[in-house]
Amino acid sequence: DVKVTQSSRYLVKRTGEKVFLECVQDMDHENMFWYRQDPGLGLRLIYFSYDVKMKEKGDIPEGYSVSREKKERFSLILESASTNQTSMYLCASSQHDSNQPQHFGDGTRLSIL
Amino acid sequence: QKEVEQDPGPLSVPEGAIVSLNCTYSNSAFQYFMWYRQYSRKGPELLMYTYSSGNKEDGRFTAQVDKSSKYISLFIRDSQPSDSATYLCAMSLYYNQAGTALIFGKGTTLSVSS
Repeated sequence: DVKVTQSSRYLVKRTGEKVFLECVQDMDHENMFWYRQDPGLGLRLIYFSYDVKMKEKGDIPEGYSVSREKKERFSLILESASTNQTSMYLCASSQHDSNQPQHFGDGTRLSIL
Repeated sequence: QKEVEQDPGPLSVPEGAIVSLNCTYSNSAFQYFMWYRQYSRKGPELLMYTYSSGNKEDGRFTAQVDKSSKYISLFIRDSQPSDSATYLCAMSLYYNQAGTALIFGKGTTLSVSS
């Protein structure tokens, strides 16, 4: 089974802090994704990566950056956290072959105070 | 246009009922269609994955795709309380040479009472 592990289930940070969310997958997948999920808005793509050190902006990249130094690890960075970034953050991975389904981690519920 | 429409519910049914969940879309470029199930405080898990128009069955679950009408459905037979979850439809869209992205519906919350 594909396993996508997000380092924290719950996280509380303060406005202005730099926040790191970590994600690791164990299936040697080329593609990795970061989404946020908000009530009434569904899942929205923040960034994705199709290879080490490669990244592509999704629909809502503002206020976020990402890092992919190793194939199995994809980090989401909130440069200066704001209260409107309080959300559930979901990491996913998939094979590079187009149209392969994505497999998700259990999410990090982030609260910015 | 990437919009996917999905009725958010909530949908409440008694145990044993047949459940029908639906999504419509407007972009004919969508190629693959998926259904995810998400329990509270968990990530989405893949339920069904299909490409062509027609039906695909897996146990109590049937996924149906009608590309001409731009309409997909998930049917759950003999529904169980353990089926209570949010169901998300998703469709793949070619993003660029980097690969594809999934476009999600907003999810339908289902509650099955015993």
